[in-house]
Amino acid sequence: DAMVIQNPRYQVTQFGKPVTLSCSQTLNHNVMYWYQQKSSQAPKLLFHYYDKDFNNEADTPDNFQSRRPNTSFCFLDIRSPGLGDAAMYLCATTPTWGSTLYNEQFFGPGTRLTVL
Amino acid sequence: AQSVTQLDSQVPVFEEAPVELRCNYSSSVSVYLFWYVQYPNQGLQLLLKYLSGSTLVKGINGFEAEFNKSQTSFHLRKPSVHISDTAEYFCAVSNPNYGGSQGNLIFGKGTKLSVKP
Repeated sequence: DAMVIQNPRYQVTQFGKPVTLSCSQTLNHNVMYWYQQKSSQAPKLLFHYYDKDFNNEADTPDNFQSRRPNTSFCFLDIRSPGLGDAAMYLCATTPTWGSTLYNEQFFGPGTRLTVL
Repeated sequence: AQSVTQLDSQVPVFEEAPVELRCNYSSSVSVYLFWYVQYPNQGLQLLLKYLSGSTLVKGINGFEAEFNKSQTSFHLRKPSVHISDTAEYFCAVSNPNYGGSQGNLIFGKGTKLSVKP
């Protein structure tokens, strides 16, 4: 089945130790998103890629970076995680503008990050 | 700018009772509307969406929602809930006329539905 996959599902890191979260998709969608979701809050968009074009949200901290080496994969790098970065990180995809599915986002299961 | 308000942060209900989760939006342009469900430690799953056409939208798991343009609402309903419906529900809006690379979703803060036996 076509889907959005996130690895790992649970990640524990130490304060200040860089960590990378992975997202892959078999949907062949052009757009990929990264969201941060803290406990009992709505998902907050960090950034997204339209193909290789990177779009950063204005309030996303510099500590968060992303890479998209190809259509299928997208990575979230947290350069120096702080305690406040502990959250669920959600990856989502959507097809290109003009598709009948445009504006519908398909979410992965998320990676729960714990910072010790 | 668009915004979404989910009026109830928590809704407790007994099994087999009906439920309505409220969602109001604010937008100066036409919108697409969505309801997503999130089970504990899971991603978001689309329940239903309104893009155009009939204002009554049916989704998965027996849920439905009605788009009311005059009241700028998109309330989610289910006539009889099950224990397995216990989850958090997010209403979201996006701008269908936003071309190019962004069809960003604006989420409400979520409503936790708790179904008790």
